[in-house]
Amino acid sequence: DAKTTQPPSMDCAEGRAANLPCNHSTISGNEYVYWYRQIHSQGPQYIIHGLKNNETNEMASLIITEDRKSSTLILPHATLRDTAVYYCIVERGNTGKLIFGQGTTLQVKP
Amino acid sequence: DVKVTQSSRYLVKRTGEKVFLECVQDMDHENMFWYRQDPGLGLRLIYFSYDVKMKEKGDIPEGYSVSREKKERFSLILESASTNQTSMYLCASSRGGRHVNYGYTFGSGTRLTVV
Repeated sequence: DAKTTQPPSMDCAEGRAANLPCNHSTISGNEYVYWYRQIHSQGPQYIIHGLKNNETNEMASLIITEDRKSSTLILPHATLRDTAVYYCIVERGNTGKLIFGQGTTLQVKP
Repeated sequence: DVKVTQSSRYLVKRTGEKVFLECVQDMDHENMFWYRQDPGLGLRLIYFSYDVKMKEKGDIPEGYSVSREKKERFSLILESASTNQTSMYLCASSRGGRHVNYGYTFGSGTRLTVV
């Protein structure tokens, strides 16, 4: 199974861009990268996903390297409400199952 | 607004009881999942289902079973609750059958305490 590696924690100043890295060096060609976040005491919330092209939606941008071995989630203007645990996940071999790792705790500071 | 609804936010049960955790989604999703979340261990997949009456084991199915009699409802059953099943239980659903390319929608979770 493709595994992901994320830093355990990061800080970001309010109003600045938050760039959250993820390594997934064993990813297969047909496996998607997903990003979720979990705010304390709530269920995880879907943010964005991609295969090999960069993706953008109203919440964030996802940059995937050409070799697909790593990706970066970008929150363009972080707010205090973006403080959460962010999970980078590779879908396990087109099974539809998402296996969560430990994630990155992002602390947005005023 | 689309929703995944879990029947209880907090639940306290006694050791040995049979416990039912209910999850209902209103999005006509094919896939449904049960996870548990524990400090230091993250979210772990217990069981999932790609369709009505179908079920497959996740990474930690021991001590659990599931039922999916209707598309919108996925129940997690603890046959004989034990204290090591005290946890936050999260239900999720998604479109797409087996080869899903869409995001999951999660419920708010049920915090189960077994005493």
